[in-house]
Amino acid sequence: DTAVSQTPKYLVTQMGNDKSIKCEQNLGHDTMYWYKQDSKKFLKIMFSYNNKELIINETVPNRFSPKSPDKAHLNLHINSLELGDSAVYFCASSLDRASYEQYFGPGTRLTVT
Amino acid sequence: KNQVEQSPQSLIILEGKNCTLQCNYTVSPFSNLRWYKQDTGRGPVSLTIMTFSENTKSNGRYTATLDADTKQSSLHITASQLSDSASYICVVTYSSASKIIFGSGTRLSIRP
Repeated sequence: DTAVSQTPKYLVTQMGNDKSIKCEQNLGHDTMYWYKQDSKKFLKIMFSYNNKELIINETVPNRFSPKSPDKAHLNLHINSLELGDSAVYFCASSLDRASYEQYFGPGTRLTVT
Repeated sequence: KNQVEQSPQSLIILEGKNCTLQCNYTVSPFSNLRWYKQDTGRGPVSLTIMTFSENTKSNGRYTATLDADTKQSSLHITASQLSDSASYICVVTYSSASKIIFGSGTRLSIRP
C-alpha cells in the first residue's frame, strides 16, 4: 500500500496557467511537507504543515499556496506558472514536527513550456 | 552561512567493492543528520538518522558515522550491489529541528 501518494506524476502545462498537485498520506502522520528538486538535484523545503497548521514557510513566491483540508492531505496550488517553476515536486510526511524521519512521495515532474 | 556539502559529486565503483561518501556541514545549533537514498525517478528513502550524541549507526550494509566536533559525517557502503546505484543525500536539521538543509547528493554508480 502506498504510504505517501502524489497526483499527477507528470504535469506539462503552459506559462501563465494555474495548476494543482495533490498529496495524501495514509500513515496517520501529523506533519506534511512540500519540497522542490531542481535540475541540479538540490532538494529545498517549501512548506510544512502540522495538523493543518502552517509551521514552515520558506521564501517561495506567493504564487505557490499550500492547502491542507485535513491532516492526511496537503495540496500545492501554483498560480501563473513560469518557466522556472519546472522541477520535480516532492511531498513528504513525518509522525510529528519533531520526528526525524520523513517519508517521501514519488514526486511530480512539472514541466512549464 | 548554514551549508551542507557532500563529496564526491559522483562516484563509480565495481560491484562488490566498498565506498565511503562524505558530508560536511556548518549549521548551528545542530539537531540531527540523516542520510537518504534516492533512486532515479523516485522519492528519497531514509537510511540512517543520527543525533548529536550518536557516533555511528548501521542499516544493513550501510554504516553512517558522525563527528559533531568536526561537523563531518560519512556513509560507508560495504560489498556494493548493483541496486546501490542511486543518489545519496545528506540532510541536516538544526535550530531545534525547525530548519532543514539538504546536500546536493553524491551520485553513485555500481558497475558489474
